[in-house]
Amino acid sequence: SQQGEEDPQALSIQEGENATMNCSYKTSINNLQWYRQNSGRGLVHLILIRSNEREKHSGRLRVTLDTSKKSSSLLITASRAADTASYFCATSRGGAAGNKLTFGGGTRVLVKP
Amino acid sequence: DTGVSQNPRHKITKRGQNVTFRCDPISEHNRLYWYRQTLGQGPEFLTYFQNEAQLEKSRLLSDRFSAERPKGSFSTLEIQRTEQGDSAMYLCASSLPPREAVPYNEQFFGPGTRLTVL
Repeated sequence: SQQGEEDPQALSIQEGENATMNCSYKTSINNLQWYRQNSGRGLVHLILIRSNEREKHSGRLRVTLDTSKKSSSLLITASRAADTASYFCATSRGGAAGNKLTFGGGTRVLVKP
Repeated sequence: DTGVSQNPRHKITKRGQNVTFRCDPISEHNRLYWYRQTLGQGPEFLTYFQNEAQLEKSRLLSDRFSAERPKGSFSTLEIQRTEQGDSAMYLCASSLPPREAVPYNEQFFGPGTRLTVL
């Protein structure tokens, strides 16, 4: 079963609006990452946040991590039609777990022009 | 193109046939991962290699599945006696190994091989 669960499962917004999606997980982690996947294609790494970090920014992306609640959020500001994609959170436990990623079910984002 | 490549991109086969997929990682990456993604779901970990050693296999990887990385470069994933439930996107990723100063390295994903079992 997937450790990470994204919420909402689908999101439809107008270009220029902000998009926020959440991820919850169950076990302790070394880091949490967000990936983007355009329809039927490979995954593109967006941002990584380590377990000792609380917030991170990259361009129009803002990620938060609350390890006490085992949750993370991804905010995309000033969305563009090109942001239309599925977004996945993925956790890594590191160490002996070998940095394998455990993905959530994803949030499908539609940005309407 | 210096990214992760996968071949073929699409494979249609009949139930019971064997199929083999290939992944060529980024050249300096010694870690290689296989994931499977079914429609509408997130990817699920199957197995990973460090150099030629297969260090972990998921319980999802039944005995019909076998993966190899014979020279620590490219990897193959073979599915024997395919079943309709094997239909999925098979994703390969590679990364550098973690180091003390960099405990985690980003995984770079290939475009995937989409398998359809009829």
